[in-house]
Amino acid sequence: GESVGLHLPTLSVQEGDNSIINCAYSNSASDYFIWYKQESGKGPQFIIDIRSNMDKRQGQRVTVLLNKTVKHLSLQIAATQPGDSAVYFCAEGGKLIFGQGTELSVKP
Amino acid sequence: DVKVTQSSRYLVKRTGEKVFLECVQDMDHENMFWYRQDPGLGLRLIYFSYDVKMKEKGDIPEGYSVSREKKERFSLILESASTNQTSMYLCASSLMDRFTTFGSGTRLTVV
Repeated sequence: GESVGLHLPTLSVQEGDNSIINCAYSNSASDYFIWYKQESGKGPQFIIDIRSNMDKRQGQRVTVLLNKTVKHLSLQIAATQPGDSAVYFCAEGGKLIFGQGTELSVKP
Repeated sequence: DVKVTQSSRYLVKRTGEKVFLECVQDMDHENMFWYRQDPGLGLRLIYFSYDVKMKEKGDIPEGYSVSREKKERFSLILESASTNQTSMYLCASSLMDRFTTFGSGTRLTVV
């Protein structure tokens, strides 16, 4: 069946460094992907999305890269801040299949 | 501001009880979803609905049913609650496959 997975359950970075969170998916027909941020006690919040006709999409301090050949996407956060500490999920659009999440911790 | 509202933040129910979790959205979204979130397992899709009275099973529908009689409301029903259904339940809605918005979650404890 469909699955979406993340490479690392936790990631710790120094404040000001760049963060990279990775995600793999299995359904080669998937054409839409979304990254979510979930802070403690809250529901997931939309960060950025990308369609399969793109390789890269940039937002404010965030970039999503999509490699359809190896069915992999990544979320890059520039100049990571303490407020970025959260669990990050990638999700496959349509039925919204989620990966397990990566917990990002930012050290001051 | 768009909103997905889940009726309860915390709920404690007894084993065997019938439990209703309610979700209401004010964005006129066609799609609505129910997930459960457990440590180490991420968000797992229970059911989703792409229109009134329409529903499809997600990855873990066993022990659950849903109801969507009106566009804005999507209810998750635990026919006979069991302790392994203790979890955080999250509702979401979306327009087509974009603009997904989540509720704040209902933490259900079954004792």
